[in-house]
Amino acid sequence: DQQVKQNSPSLRVQEGRISILNCDYTNSMFDYFLWYKKYPAEGPTFLISISSIKDKNEDGRFTVFLNKSAKHLSLHIVPSQPGDSAVYFCAASVTNAGGTSYGKLTFGQGTILTVHP
Amino acid sequence: DGGITQSPKYLFRKEGQNVTLSCEQNLNHDAMYWYRQDPGQGLRLIYYSQIVNDFQKGDIAEGYSVSREKKESFPLTVTSAQKNPTAFYLCASSTPVRTSGRGRNIQYFGAGTRLSVL
Repeated sequence: DQQVKQNSPSLRVQEGRISILNCDYTNSMFDYFLWYKKYPAEGPTFLISISSIKDKNEDGRFTVFLNKSAKHLSLHIVPSQPGDSAVYFCAASVTNAGGTSYGKLTFGQGTILTVHP
Repeated sequence: DGGITQSPKYLFRKEGQNVTLSCEQNLNHDAMYWYRQDPGQGLRLIYYSQIVNDFQKGDIAEGYSVSREKKESFPLTVTSAQKNPTAFYLCASSTPVRTSGRGRNIQYFGAGTRLSVL
């Protein structure tokens, strides 16, 4: 049962344009969401996150949007650069009842982003 | 530099052999995790440990074993019972923070170990 889904295996965008990566989830208990970026043969690196109490979080060229009613989040990269070419994973977690989360994450399958000149 | 070190970078396993992947962190994180990445399947959780001398099975624990004798170390053994061990293995760590705190739930990853079967 795939609780976090990235339905687009790949995305190709021209340099300077906007990249939009999408992620859907099914578990309504998820309350914290993250995006990771991964280059081949390397570990994922944290990019940006959002709590379920917000619907938008911005950090430089990266913005994450959360639509709780649709159980959907998206990552916008503006403007896209060739160095952004990588695999992007979305991940989700549930904060336990005590308010302290040990960070157990559920990952999507990843989307390969290619930014071309 | 603070970080997570995985070794070796490449590892080969013979039929019927157990192999151990090393993961060390100097971030003073309480929690550590092992993931497996296969093409097109994202990251799947094998085992995780929230504190020293304690660990829990993840989604695909069969054929694997772990130990957590020290806060800094979380080695993963791929046993001969794991029939399809060829994959990219990733270790991660995180520290539990209060819900209202910044930076909660962020896992930091090592560079990975690629395991192949001879």
